[in-house]
Amino acid sequence: EAGVTQSPTHLIKTRGQQATLRCSPISGHTSVYWYQQALGLGLQFLLWYDEGEERNRGNFPPRFSGRQFPNYSSELNVNALELEDSALYLCASGSGTRSYNEQFFGPGTRLTVL
Amino acid sequence: GDSVTQMEGPVTLSEEAFLTINCTYTATGYPSLFWYVQYPGEGLQLLLKATKADDKGSNKGFEATYRKETTSFHLEKGSVQVSDSAVYFCALSERDAGKSTFGDGTTLTVKP
Repeated sequence: EAGVTQSPTHLIKTRGQQATLRCSPISGHTSVYWYQQALGLGLQFLLWYDEGEERNRGNFPPRFSGRQFPNYSSELNVNALELEDSALYLCASGSGTRSYNEQFFGPGTRLTVL
Repeated sequence: GDSVTQMEGPVTLSEEAFLTINCTYTATGYPSLFWYVQYPGEGLQLLLKATKADDKGSNKGFEATYRKETTSFHLEKGSVQVSDSAVYFCALSERDAGKSTFGDGTTLTVKP
């Protein structure tokens, strides 16, 4: 069974640009979760999508947004990039509210903002 | 709100030493508890889990018991190996909340 996949592996942008990160969940999973892992700050919850809807959002500004497609894959968009957005962005998938919420993580996208 | 507190690292042990990484939590409901491991350059992998009080999660020689009375979920291993060197995250998840709340992670280095 294929795991969670993320693309690209690395992304380099300059301040003010937009970044788009992609995630494909494990087959059968309807939920996608996005986390930011910045150096020294641990994992911070960004967004949760389930069945195409945004279900919960962490304490991040509106320039962090995303969507979930009918096939349950997801995009995370970061607009007006700032230097402090440099981080590893992790996507996880799960069965949403129908389980005790075990999450399976992808390898991450390393975003560098110059 | 929910929170997870892990013992501060980094932790450095010799091979075959006993490992304990402390984890305590605060939650409004009755969460599920998890330990994840992150090897260098990789994403997080689920190491073990427990979904109710007194459950013991175990995997690859690691164990943790869900202690509701002390709100704890300490990770233990009787004999660590060099290959166990990684960052370990304790996490909780409340049903219907979607997100998992993670501790800050504890870096373990095992020396031969």
